[in-house]
Amino acid sequence: KAGVTQTPRYLIKTRGQQVTLSCSPISGHRSVSWYQQTPGQGLQFLFEYFSETQRNKGNFPGRFSGRQFSNSRSEMNVSTLELGDSALYLCASSLGDYVNEQFFGPGTRLTVL
Amino acid sequence: DAKTTQPPSMDCAEGRAANLPCNHSTISGNEYVYWYRQIHSQGPQYIIHGLKNNETNEMASLIITEDRKSSTLILPHATLRDTAVYYCIVASYNTDKLIFGTGTRLQVFP
Repeated sequence: KAGVTQTPRYLIKTRGQQVTLSCSPISGHRSVSWYQQTPGQGLQFLFEYFSETQRNKGNFPGRFSGRQFSNSRSEMNVSTLELGDSALYLCASSLGDYVNEQFFGPGTRLTVL
Repeated sequence: DAKTTQPPSMDCAEGRAANLPCNHSTISGNEYVYWYRQIHSQGPQYIIHGLKNNETNEMASLIITEDRKSSTLILPHATLRDTAVYYCIVASYNTDKLIFGTGTRLQVFP
């Protein structure tokens, strides 16, 4: 079974731009969660989508948004990029029926210049 | 969500058991204990989880104290590939929201 895939793996943007990251979950998984990892703040939960609905949300500004499609694939968008948005963005998928083992993708490394 | 406390770093000789402690004194009755690890530059990897009974799988064992205020992850025969940051997480039932702490950096040496 294929693992969680994330595209692109690396991205360089400038301040003020917006970016869209993509995540394809493991087949059959209905929940996709997004995390941001930085050296200063560590791993922080952004949001979780289940059956195309946002089910959980972390403490991030509204510039961070996401969506999930009917095939469970998910995208997250960051608008008006700031230098502090430079991070590794990780997505994780799970069955979503209860607290489950989450499978993480390799992440997208975003650099904002 | 309950907070967890872990030592920032630990060393372990290859082939020996690695015992990683975690304190979660404010855990509530419906919260599980999860362990994940993150090898450098990779996404976190699930290891094991438990509610109140001890658990074992092919990767590790999880020992939870009777009062559930602390737990220990045991890697029975550590290898160099087990060098990673290990996260102990407490999460409520029926949520996929994981709150990661700072974890324990385990260094396995030859």
